[in-house]
Amino acid sequence: ELKVEQNPLFLSMQEGKNYTIYCNYSTTSDRLYWYRQDPGKSLESLFVLLSNGAVKQEGRLMASLDTKARLSTLHITAAVHDLSATYFCAVPGSGNTGKLIFGQGTTLQVKP
Amino acid sequence: EPEVTQTPSHQVTQMGQEVILRCVPISNHLYFYWYRQILGQKVEFLVSFYNNEISEKSEIFDDQFSVERPDGSNFTLKIRSTKLEDSAMYFCARGDPRSGNTIYFGEGSWLTVV
Repeated sequence: ELKVEQNPLFLSMQEGKNYTIYCNYSTTSDRLYWYRQDPGKSLESLFVLLSNGAVKQEGRLMASLDTKARLSTLHITAAVHDLSATYFCAVPGSGNTGKLIFGQGTTLQVKP
Repeated sequence: EPEVTQTPSHQVTQMGQEVILRCVPISNHLYFYWYRQILGQKVEFLVSFYNNEISEKSEIFDDQFSVERPDGSNFTLKIRSTKLEDSAMYFCARGDPRSGNTIYFGEGSWLTVV
């Protein structure tokens, strides 16, 4: 059974600092999704990583995928308050039905 | 503009009542999904629906749940006899898993069972 684990689950950081969120998964997958969720809101797509070594960047966020290590990272550069949210990674289940297995989420709090 | 529109945004229902949650994609798609998120917890897969048939369902998706696309447009999730533990945010999503594109989530329907 596919398991997806994120760490840390909670992250409080100062504005301007850098940090990395880790997403490990237990079975082979060649793609991984990152989403952002604000409290009470929907899941906003951030990145889709489609192959080993894939790296994508959008603003202060950069995501990478290492399929051999079954690890994805979401790196935050020079954090700002607007980045405060919960970040989820998700990995497709087997069978190609589109099912996604989500990590527990990492709640990021950026303090001024 | 959301890729998927869901109604209602919030519903309060008595335990044992039937609930229907609706999802309307902005354009024609073949792949749809329902997920739920209990308050403060992770997002859980319920069911995937391709070409008007269920392609996969989770253990959560028991006989109390059903999905259909009655008019080729709306995509519905029905909970026949709600329980307190069904209280959650329910998200409809759409997206082709074979493509390199993302899976788009709707705004969610918050269900409270009392």
